[in-house]
Amino acid sequence: GDSVTQMEGPVTLSEEAFLTINCTYTATGYPSLFWYVQYPGEGLQLLLKATKADDKGSNKGFEATYRKETTSFHLEKGSVQVSDSAVYFCALSGGYQKVTFGTGTKLQVIP
Amino acid sequence: GAVVSQHPSWVICKSGTSVKIECRSLDFQATTMFWYRQFPKQSLMLMATSNEGSKATYEQGVEKDKFLINHASLTLSTLTVTSAHPEDSSFYICSAPRGRGPPFSTDTQYFGPGTRLTVL
Repeated sequence: GDSVTQMEGPVTLSEEAFLTINCTYTATGYPSLFWYVQYPGEGLQLLLKATKADDKGSNKGFEATYRKETTSFHLEKGSVQVSDSAVYFCALSGGYQKVTFGTGTKLQVIP
Repeated sequence: GAVVSQHPSWVICKSGTSVKIECRSLDFQATTMFWYRQFPKQSLMLMATSNEGSKATYEQGVEKDKFLINHASLTLSTLTVTSAHPEDSSFYICSAPRGRGPPFSTDTQYFGPGTRLTVL
């Protein structure tokens, strides 16, 4: 079945550091890929998405590129801020609304 | 602001009791809602699809008599964990897609903040 593997956290970075959170997936066919973010006390929010190979999703300075050859969708940001502290979930959808999530990676950004 | 709410945000109960968790869509109607469960350091796992006016659809391996789902209105779905035991302790999250479907576009799903259940 479908699965998503992402790096364990927590990831602790200083403000303005470069961020990478790795995500790889296993799926049949051509899934859509997503990154969700969950801020403390809030629900998961869609951060960005990519629907086909080589697509780049971007939002709020975060980027991720759909790499079919390496089955990866790594999340990157050039300069993190304290306000980026949250839990980040990589996910895929093979269709018909069923979403498969990774385990989540907690990011802590310190001033 | 939040468009899907859950209540309570956390609950502690004794083994053998039942616990009800509510999921509400705040400013839109949702004929379908989804219930997920997350164990520590594990993925969110889809438990069931809640359908307004009809029976819920459960994922394989989820006990329908254990996890009762009622979708009584277009803005409310409830999950009742019956005769709870410590192994039911988990984080329960609901989501509601906005717009027409099924099928629903994944990026129109709005998630609640989750409910932490601890069974003693």
